[in-house]
Amino acid sequence: DAGITQSPRHKVTETGTPVTLRCHQTENHRYMYWYRQDPGHGLRLIHYSYGVKDTDKGEVSDGYSVSRSKTEDFLLTLESATSSQTSVYFCAISEWGEGPNEQFFGPGTRLTVL
Amino acid sequence: SQQGEEDPQALSIQEGENATMNCSYKTSINNLQWYRQNSGRGLVHLILIRSNEREKHSGRLRVTLDTSKKSSSLLITASRAADTASYFCATVDILTGGGNKLTFGTGTQLKVEL
Repeated sequence: DAGITQSPRHKVTETGTPVTLRCHQTENHRYMYWYRQDPGHGLRLIHYSYGVKDTDKGEVSDGYSVSRSKTEDFLLTLESATSSQTSVYFCAISEWGEGPNEQFFGPGTRLTVL
Repeated sequence: SQQGEEDPQALSIQEGENATMNCSYKTSINNLQWYRQNSGRGLVHLILIRSNEREKHSGRLRVTLDTSKKSSSLLITASRAADTASYFCATVDILTGGGNKLTFGTGTQLKVEL
């Protein structure tokens, strides 16, 4: 998976608890993304980063925050998890060289909020 | 909001047959990409076609793009059982796609039977 790892791979938590998912890359790519995947919705962008400490919101950012203190790490935090945040979360990375490039995806984290 | 809608939602064919999947989108785009997702795995990039291109080939894959109709198709020729997966189109919007942000369609589930 192109030098991208996600941790944990599976997590079960209770409503109201904080949760942090980690994405780690070894590719030194500039851009990093967090998506969630739900049946019938495909993948939807939560937040993305265009550099260290540079982040911006995606289309489904409510209830989520992110941080990127190092090039290689991008953290996704659910401050107070809700059942609607039960999903599979994917991290992706990308570079922008001479024109558009593809994104490379991590293996995903399956999160269940009870 | 979902950018792309894919058709059909599910497709079942015999090994050796061709598989065609269609994607429609709503806005003006910089490029369109196709990804494959095997069950329980992350997405893998297949092919990227820019807005000024009409057709692109990669091995057994052929992608077409019609920007006047805001649609794309992915053709897999001589399909194999290993092609069984979900296929997603994703677009980079010309206005809001900074940072190489992708907007995904809902996907087509392809099953190739022996």
